[in-house]
Amino acid sequence: KAGVTQTPRYLIKTRGQQVTLSCSPISGHRSVSWYQQTPGQGLQFLFEYFSETQRNKGNFPGRFSGRQFSNSRSEMNVSTLELGDSALYLCASSTTRQGQYEQYFGPGTRLTVT
Amino acid sequence: SQQGEEDPQALSIQEGENATMNCSYKTSINNLQWYRQNSGRGLVHLILIRSNEREKHSGRLRVTLDTSKKSSSLLITASRAADTASYFCASTQYNFNKFYFGSGTKLNVKP
Repeated sequence: KAGVTQTPRYLIKTRGQQVTLSCSPISGHRSVSWYQQTPGQGLQFLFEYFSETQRNKGNFPGRFSGRQFSNSRSEMNVSTLELGDSALYLCASSTTRQGQYEQYFGPGTRLTVT
Repeated sequence: SQQGEEDPQALSIQEGENATMNCSYKTSINNLQWYRQNSGRGLVHLILIRSNEREKHSGRLRVTLDTSKKSSSLLITASRAADTASYFCASTQYNFNKFYFGSGTKLNVKP
């Protein structure tokens, strides 16, 4: 089975621009979560989508949004980029196996805001 | 927000030695999972331990869980230079679709 894929892997944007990141989950996984990882804040949960609906949301401003399509692929959008949005953005697809919830991560998208 | 803490924050050992990392969490959990992250890359799932388990093994990895102390430890035996990475624990609650990550331990294995 192919793993979680994220595109693009690297991205450089200018402050004030917007960006869209894409994530394709493992085949059969219906849940996709997004995380932001920075040296100072560690891994922070952004949101989770399940069957095209946002099921959970972290404490991020409304500039961060996402969506999920019927094929479970997900996109994350950040509008009006700020320097502090520079981070590694990780996507994880999830499944429940024997009653246990497991997440599998993609390689991440490294976003640099200048 | 993060609910776990890991210690030590950084660990440097020689190849062949054992490495032990600890993780504490704050609320009752359904399971706890350990991940490895090589520099700037995604997280690799290592092992899952359920709340009703006390110990689990996978190859050179041994994980323990003490729910009374809300803590877990990851032991890597006979470490190798390739084990150099950051290690994170993540707990899930019974409302299971949320992960809470620890702050991570950066392990350096010197050849």
